[in-house]
Amino acid sequence: EVQLLESGGGLVQPGGSLRLSCAASGFSGFTFRTYALSWVRQAPGKGLEWVSAIDGSGDFTYYADSVKGRFTISRDNSNNTLYLQMDSLRAEDTAVYYCAKGEAVTTNYNYWGQGTLVTVSS
Amino acid sequence: DIQMTQSPSTLSAFVGDRVTITCRASQTISRWLAWYQQKPGKAPNLLIYLASSLESGVPSRFSGSGSGTEFTLTISSLQPDDFATYYCQQYSAFPGTFGQGTKVEIK
Repeated sequence: EVQLLESGGGLVQPGGSLRLSCAASGFSGFTFRTYALSWVRQAPGKGLEWVSAIDGSGDFTYYADSVKGRFTISRDNSNNTLYLQMDSLRAEDTAVYYCAKGEAVTTNYNYWGQGTLVTVSS
Repeated sequence: DIQMTQSPSTLSAFVGDRVTITCRASQTISRWLAWYQQKPGKAPNLLIYLASSLESGVPSRFSGSGSGTEFTLTISSLQPDDFATYYCQQYSAFPGTFGQGTKVEIK
């Protein structure tokens, strides 16, 4: 059974930075690198918004327009971990951030982490 | 980006009721549609993929239908555990986009 566990959320001032991690388990060492992974966020009381995705090799990355140029997605296939480096944070980035796994970059998501809350406030 | 519009935004129903939620896409997405259930403080949970395929472990009272631009999620007999918010998502075109959600409340 695949499990995803996010960490790294917290309170940060506008303009600050934060790095989220998502540790995956239940994959074999070979299988992890065959799957694209995504970050999806949910602002308080709001709906779901796709943020970023990365292919299995880590060679191809994709971003929502709202975060392009400020967020960087990456992965460490040797440690089964996904990352999201968030710079130049804004109040509107305040949300629960979920990592999610599907079958492709643009996909439905059959596994989700429990989420980590990022609050951008002075 | 493809816009996904759900209706209604809120739905009040009794236990045992048959409930239908509609999702419309701003352009055709064939059958590349998923439905999720989300409870407060929890991650979304995949119910339906490819418009009508039931995810493993999901009760058979949930069903999905539709193709092109109009889709429905039906709960045949609402159970206490089903009170939650439901989201549709298209994954026909990048980026995958979600509907705004439908909250199912106890009447």
